[in-house]
Amino acid sequence: ETGVTQTPRHLVMGMTNKKSLKCEQHLGHNAMYWYKQSAKKPLELMFVYSLEERVENNSVPSRFSPECPNSSHLFLHLHTLQPEDSALYLCASSQDLGGGGSTDTQYFGPGTRLTVL
Amino acid sequence: QKEVEQNSGPLSVPEGAIASLNCTYSDRGSQSFFWYRQYSGKSPELIMSIYSNGDKEDGRFTAQLNKASQYVSLLIRDSQPSDSATYLCAVEGPYDYKLSFGAGTTVTVRA
Repeated sequence: ETGVTQTPRHLVMGMTNKKSLKCEQHLGHNAMYWYKQSAKKPLELMFVYSLEERVENNSVPSRFSPECPNSSHLFLHLHTLQPEDSALYLCASSQDLGGGGSTDTQYFGPGTRLTVL
Repeated sequence: QKEVEQNSGPLSVPEGAIASLNCTYSDRGSQSFFWYRQYSGKSPELIMSIYSNGDKEDGRFTAQLNKASQYVSLLIRDSQPSDSATYLCAVEGPYDYKLSFGAGTTVTVRA
């Protein structure tokens, strides 16, 4: 495996279900991100982790719960979601955070297409 | 909150022509600028990054940055049908690791 991988690629869940999205990066990067992409809207940053510490929670509802057990893995735990949470959820990683320059370049995984019924 | 504006398109160009995409941003202190290509149903793929004023060329792609005008553009020369996609402009500030994305410009290259 190379780059950034995400599983599952597609997920359909009811509003009372609990599910988790998984992201793994094979690039040796120190920072990982969760984004939400809804139709016709810009990517929305949800969470940022640097060296396994959360450095950003961009006003995300508590029904989304991130977890970063190590610098290569990132999870997004979902519970009691709403239909408006249906979107493409993208994971990204970068070598470092901040300061500008090439080490901040973010590389995206293929995404999880989530549908909440 | 940095704002990034792009023309949503669609931008339709004939095969072999130049496609010109524009992006403006609100935070004058922004330092890093990226163009991502996103095919329908796929994730964004980095195609260009630019950090200083002027032009940067990579194959058929040229990024142009003018910080005084808070403007970054992407030119696609000799457009091919495979260039049909949505192009996302992303901007990062000097002390803020967060990328702000535009809504994207959809490009259609007609054969």
